[in-house]
Formats: sequence, structure tokens, C-alpha cells
Amino acid sequence: GNSVTQMEGPVTLSEEAFLTINCTYTATGYPSLFWYVQYPGEGLQLLLKATKADDKGSNKGFEATYRKETTSFHLEKGSVQVSDSAVYFCARMFSGGYNKLIFGAGTRLAVHP
Amino acid sequence: DTGVSQDPRHKITKRGQNVTFRCDPISEHNRLYWYRQTLGQGPEFLTYFQNEAQLEKSRLLSDRFSAERPKGSFSTLEIQRTEQGDSAMYLCASSLNSGMSEQYFGPGTRLTVT
Repeated sequence: GNSVTQMEGPVTLSEEAFLTINCTYTATGYPSLFWYVQYPGEGLQLLLKATKADDKGSNKGFEATYRKETTSFHLEKGSVQVSDSAVYFCARMFSGGYNKLIFGAGTRLAVHP
Repeated sequence: DTGVSQDPRHKITKRGQNVTFRCDPISEHNRLYWYRQTLGQGPEFLTYFQNEAQLEKSRLLSDRFSAERPKGSFSTLEIQRTEQGDSAMYLCASSLNSGMSEQYFGPGTRLTVT
């Protein structure tokens, strides 16, 4: 089928800790993959994307690598800040057309000083 | 242009009432999407417009739901005879009509059906 599975939250970290949020997908072919972030009280924002296998998306210190062997797109950051506290959504573009997005359930990250 | 806007931001209605939401996309974007997000879940696709044409509707969009984009600019989403299960955040997104263009999301309309 067409689905996205990401690790359940909440994830609670201390400032400067290393972050990994796992994301795996099922799909036919090689869909484009995305991470969106939703800060408290704000709308969804695109954080990074990768459009083909082995691509690495990066932004604001966050990285994710498109791994076709493991159908994964895990989000990582080497040193989180309090301001990174938000809900993170992994998404894939639906293979059937019109570029609609299929989202995971979201992972809430809380970073404490 | 300040991005995608949605109105209202919050709507509380009684079961059985009709509600209508509006989305104003980024002006040069001809693709427009509606999604629904329930608590603790990611957004789910509802429907898609390319200019004024509604090209795809999800099975989630029951007969009580209707969406329009009459002039290819703003869009409305109407829910008739609301039910408590309709309570959710309704998100609008827009993008350019080229390849894998990024979808820009609005702040959403939070609907509560009592």
C-alpha cells in the first residue's frame, strides 16, 4: 500500500543532545520524501526533502537520507536546541499523481534546557 | 504575498449545522489541496484542484462535503449536517504547477462540533 510510519513520541531530549526520528514508508517505485515541522500555534512548514534514492536533504542542521534498501528517511540533528521543540511529520508523495502527500502520524519533540 | 491564508481560524458549531471554510492560496499557485488533521494524527488528503478543476477527491470526502474553486483562486470547503466526527483541523495547501513543487500550508481552520 501507500503508507508512512514514524516513531511514536513524545521524544524528550536535553539541549545539545543528538536527535533521531525514524521514518519508513511503503510505496511502489521511488516517491519523493519530505519532513515537515509544525511549531506550536503555527502551520506546517517544509523542513527538508529528497527526490531520489541516496539523496540527502538538509536544512537548519537537520538531515535525512533517502535509503531505498531500507525504505527509510530518518531525521537526524547533531545538537538540538530548545527552539526545535515541535511536531515533526514524515511524508511521501503519492505515486498515483497530482502530488498529494501521505503523512505519518507525527512525532512530538520536546527539548529541555 | 504573506502565504496561504485560511478563514476562520476556529469554528465551533452544533451538530447538524452547515459550515464553510475559505482558503486563499499564494497568488501565483494554481494547485490547491485540502487536508484534514485529527488530534495526534498526520494530515490526510481530502481533495485537489488544478486551477478551477477539481481533479481528485478522497474517499474520506463524504457526500456531506463539497469543495469549490470557482475562479481558480480562493477555494471553499463546505460541510453540511456536521457530525461530531467532523471535528478536526482543516488544512489548505498550494503549490506551483511544475514537477514536485513544494506545498505551502496555511494555518488551518479548527472545527469543533458539539
